Amino acid sequence: AQSVAQPEDQVNVAEGNPLTVKCTYSVSGNPYLFWYVQYPNRGLQFLLKYITGDNLVKGSYGFEAEFNKSQTSFHLKKPSALVSDSALYFCAVSSHNNAGNMLTFGGGTRLMVKP
Amino acid sequence: SQTIHQWPATLVQPVGSPLSLECTVEGTSNPNLYWYRQAAGRGLQLLFYSVGIGQISSEVPQNLSASRPQDRQFILSSKKLLLSDSGFYLCAWSLGLTSGRSNEQFFGPGTRLTVL
Repeated sequence: AQSVAQPEDQVNVAEGNPLTVKCTYSVSGNPYLFWYVQYPNRGLQFLLKYITGDNLVKGSYGFEAEFNKSQTSFHLKKPSALVSDSALYFCAVSSHNNAGNMLTFGGGTRLMVKP
Repeated sequence: SQTIHQWPATLVQPVGSPLSLECTVEGTSNPNLYWYRQAAGRGLQLLFYSVGIGQISSEVPQNLSASRPQDRQFILSSKKLLLSDSGFYLCAWSLGLTSGRSNEQFFGPGTRLTVL
């Protein structure tokens, strides 16, 4: 079975400061890891993914995430937060053993960026 | 490019009434399709997924059902809605098994269902 934990319900950051949204995972075999963002009353938007290769993955809107196999983590980061980054963020995991290509999502972290 | 549509965008239904939510995908063939429910703006619950026409897997037993009558059409139904069926319903697609690896899912805009 695969699982994802997002330990923080909410992260508060001042505009211009760096942000980190935490994610840890558990999966059999090699993980495929994803980050999504959701704005109010909208569907989830794909931000970035880790499949293989470089541990630092760059994605949309200046976000990046670092895959750490020993810590089974995939934290989302951005060097300088914008007020418009305020949204709900989801981490998800899958594995190549997953025939249905199903993703397991974390519970979500609400990011609040204050001016 | 691929696009995914859901309708209606919002729906208010009385308890005990039937439900039909539709999802269609354009620009790809033989996608995997998924129905999720999101309660209270937080976690996602996978309800059904489909790897092909007529192939439906249910993740959570409930009074909902799903059907895939065409390759790029996925329908979520209920014969009698319960109050607990209220929520935000999201459809998603991904590349199918021929891709040989796990791929990201792409989500539709969602349907807000309120059961009164």
